[in-house]
Amino acid sequence: NAGVTQTPKFQVLKTGQSMTLQCAQDMNHEYMSWYRQDPGMGLRLIHYSVGAGITDQGEVPNGYNVSRSTTEDFPLRLLSAAPSQTSVYFCASSYSGSAYSYNEQFFGPGTRLTVL
Amino acid sequence: GESVGLHLPTLSVQEGDNSIINCAYSNSASDYFIWYKQESGKGPQFIIDIRSNMDKRQGQRVTVLLNKTVKHLSLQIAATQPGDSAVYFCAENRVTGNQFYFGTGTSLTVIP
Repeated sequence: NAGVTQTPKFQVLKTGQSMTLQCAQDMNHEYMSWYRQDPGMGLRLIHYSVGAGITDQGEVPNGYNVSRSTTEDFPLRLLSAAPSQTSVYFCASSYSGSAYSYNEQFFGPGTRLTVL
Repeated sequence: GESVGLHLPTLSVQEGDNSIINCAYSNSASDYFIWYKQESGKGPQFIIDIRSNMDKRQGQRVTVLLNKTVKHLSLQIAATQPGDSAVYFCAENRVTGNQFYFGTGTSLTVIP
């Protein structure tokens, strides 16, 4: 199993550009999520999905869109990039997002995004 | 707002000693906690978890303690090794949702 894969590994954007960060998992996990990690801070949840066709907002959703058309894929779209979105982005998946289920999260290697 | 925070941002220990990393949380509704290890340039890696109906859980060289009275949990690493050098995060999951909230992290450095 490849686990959780993310592409690209690095990306530089200009303010106002849009792009999509790709995330895929091959573990048949229902729950997928996107986090951003800024220096000196923990991971903050952007969006998450509990299954195909279902998405919801996390702590910091503004400026980002997601969709979940398949169990495997969970892309994150930056609509109009801003310097404040410079960060490291991690995608994660788990069997379930419920606190009552076994839900160890597996993280991808991250995408390092710089917005100029 | 609610937060999950760590008492110490950095920790240095001698190889072979035991390490203790602490984490405070403020939401008494949280009922599931996870410790993650993050090595430089990599994504977080699950270490151990604990549910609120437990006070202690042990894994291989790691133990997590949960004190719900003071909203505190700790990660103990026995016989710390150089490979344990990393940033450690605690995260909490709340019954009411499917969201995990992460602390800011503690950087552990193991001195050979």
